[in-house]
Amino acid sequence: AQSVTQPDIHITVSEGASLELRCNYSYGATPYLFWYVQSPGQGLQLLLKYFSGDTLVQGIKGFEAEFKRSQSSFNLRKPSVHWSDAAEYFCAVGGNQGGKLIFGQGTELSVKP
Amino acid sequence: NAGVMQNPRHLVRRRGQEARLRCSPMKGHSHVYWYRQLPEEGLKFMVYLQKENIIDESGMPKERFSAEFPKEGPSILRIQQVVRGDSAAYFCASSPPGVWGTEAFFGQGTRLTVV
Repeated sequence: AQSVTQPDIHITVSEGASLELRCNYSYGATPYLFWYVQSPGQGLQLLLKYFSGDTLVQGIKGFEAEFKRSQSSFNLRKPSVHWSDAAEYFCAVGGNQGGKLIFGQGTELSVKP
Repeated sequence: NAGVMQNPRHLVRRRGQEARLRCSPMKGHSHVYWYRQLPEEGLKFMVYLQKENIIDESGMPKERFSAEFPKEGPSILRIQQVVRGDSAAYFCASSPPGVWGTEAFFGQGTRLTVV
C-alpha cells in the first residue's frame, strides 16, 4: 500500500537549534517527494521537492532534505530554526499523476524562545 | 501570475443544504486536484480533473459529492445535503500539462462549517 508516515506529531525546538523532521514513505514506483508547510488557517506552501538527481535537495527558507532510497526516507532539516518557522509540516509522495499526492499526517513544529 | 484561487474562503451551511466550492487554477494549468483536510489530519486526495474530464475520483465519497471542471470557468466541488462530518478544509491544487515530475500549487482552501 502507498503511504507516508511522519512519526512525530509534535516537535518543540529552541530558536537557533537545529531541526530534523522525519518522513518515511511506501510507494510502488519511482517516488516524487515533497515537503510543504502550512501556517494556521492558510494553504500549503512548497518548501522543496525531489524528482531525481542529487539526493540532497535545497529548498526555500534555509530548508534541505535528503532522499535515502534504501531507508525509504525523505527527512527535512534546517541548521538553525527561527521563530517564524513554527507551523505544520507535511511530507508527500507522488508519481505519475502529477498533483495527486499522498500526504503524511503532518508534524506540528513549535519554537520556543 | 495569480496563484490558485479558491472561493469562498469560509462557508457555513446548515445540515441538508448544498455547498459549492470553486477553484480557479493558475494560468496555463489544465489539471486540477481536490483535497480534504479534516481537523488534526493531513490532506486526503479526493479527485483529479482535467478540462471536461474526471481522471481519477478514487478518493471521492460515493454519495453526495461531485466535481467538475468545465471547458470554461472554474472547477466546482459540490456537496449535496451536507452533514456535520463534512466540516473540513477543502483545498484545490493545479498543475501544468504533463504528469511526470510536475508540481502542484495549492490554493488557500475553503473552510466549510456545517451547523
